[in-house]
Amino acid sequence: AQSVTQLGSHVSVSEGALVLLRCNYSSSVPPYLFWYVQYPNQGLQLLLKYTSAATLVKGINGFEAEFKKSETSFHLTKPSAHMSDAAEYFCAVSEGDSSYKLIFGSGTRLLVRP
Amino acid sequence: DAGVTQSPTHLIKTRGQHVTLRCSPISGHKSVSWYQQVLGQGPQFIFQYYEKEERGRGNFPDRFSARQFPNYSSELNVNALLLGDSALYLCASSWRTAVSGNTIYFGEGSWLTVV
Repeated sequence: AQSVTQLGSHVSVSEGALVLLRCNYSSSVPPYLFWYVQYPNQGLQLLLKYTSAATLVKGINGFEAEFKKSETSFHLTKPSAHMSDAAEYFCAVSEGDSSYKLIFGSGTRLLVRP
Repeated sequence: DAGVTQSPTHLIKTRGQHVTLRCSPISGHKSVSWYQQVLGQGPQFIFQYYEKEERGRGNFPDRFSARQFPNYSSELNVNALLLGDSALYLCASSWRTAVSGNTIYFGEGSWLTVV
């Protein structure tokens, strides 16, 4: 069975600092991995996805994530945090490239201090 | 192009009642999935429909049902509502290519409060 673990339910950074949100996955098949962002009282917006084409994936709003098979990780980073990045971030894995079912982590709330 | 649209955006129901939530996928998307997101948690998969057929079901009781129409829109129905059904219900539509696999887009959700 597949699963996702997001380390840290809350992460606080200063504006302009590096953002690092951690995600580890468990999968018996080559995983498809996703990061979504959820702003307060809104739905989920796709930030980026990994499909095995490249290990470093660039997404929207300056975010990127690196797939590391040896570490079963897919951590999300952004070089410089902006106040508008404050939101809930979810890592998710799908059961192979033909599956439409996503398994989500419990989320990490990013707080950005001025 | 319009994204995934859901209705209603907010609703309040009483325990024991029935609710119907509606979803229109992105134009051209044939797959629709439903997720439940309880406050403070990640979304949980409920159903997936493709070409009007149920292709997947999560660990939810039979009080939950869904269907997909010929225009690929979908309804989620929940009977005999419980307080624990209070959540954000998210609809997602999907597009798959041979190169990039599935890309799954979510709507803004329907907030259901059961009192």
